[in-house]
Amino acid sequence: AQRVTQPEKLLSVFKGAPVELKCNYSYSGSPELFWYVQYSRQRLQLLLRHISRESIKGFTADLNKGETSFHLKKPFAQEEDSAMYYCALTSGTYKYIFGTGTRLKVLA
Amino acid sequence: SQTIHQWPATLVQPVGSPLSLECTVEGTSNPNLYWYRQAAGRGLQLLFYSVGIGQISSEVPQNLSASRPQDRQFILSSKKLLLSDSGFYLCAWKSSGRGGELFFGEGSRLTVL
Repeated sequence: AQRVTQPEKLLSVFKGAPVELKCNYSYSGSPELFWYVQYSRQRLQLLLRHISRESIKGFTADLNKGETSFHLKKPFAQEEDSAMYYCALTSGTYKYIFGTGTRLKVLA
Repeated sequence: SQTIHQWPATLVQPVGSPLSLECTVEGTSNPNLYWYRQAAGRGLQLLFYSVGIGQISSEVPQNLSASRPQDRQFILSSKKLLLSDSGFYLCAWKSSGRGGELFFGEGSRLTVL
């Protein structure tokens, strides 16, 4: 069965510190991985997807098929990065499976 | 441009009463449609998805049902609400086919008393 695991419910870092939000998945095929973000009082929205291989708002994520991971990283956290982050996976079906989410708090 | 609307935004219902949450998409045709429930500590739980009119796939057996009476309309229903049905419900759409970005609505907060 497909599964997405985000081990941290809450991650607190100081402004300017590096950030890494962990995401591990279980799927034997070739999944498509995403990171979604929900800022306070805003809709859940796409942050980035692995097939784009791009940096959005300074965030990057690399798909590691050997470790079945898709960790989200940013070298220098900013206060406006504080939000709820969800890792998601879709495979050859129409289903999109989300993790339990990690709340990132960037402290001044 | 495409937009997605959910209503009502907030709903308070007594146990045993019926439920109807509606979701509509504009500016696209034949979208894939999804209902999720968002709960603290449990993430986004996929409830139902639909790839066409009248086609509903259920992911979690529970007290809820979904219907797609029109191409761009997706309805979440219950005949008799339970306390455990309380939560934040999100509708989402994507272009037809496999893969690609999901676009979410603003959500509906349901409180069952």
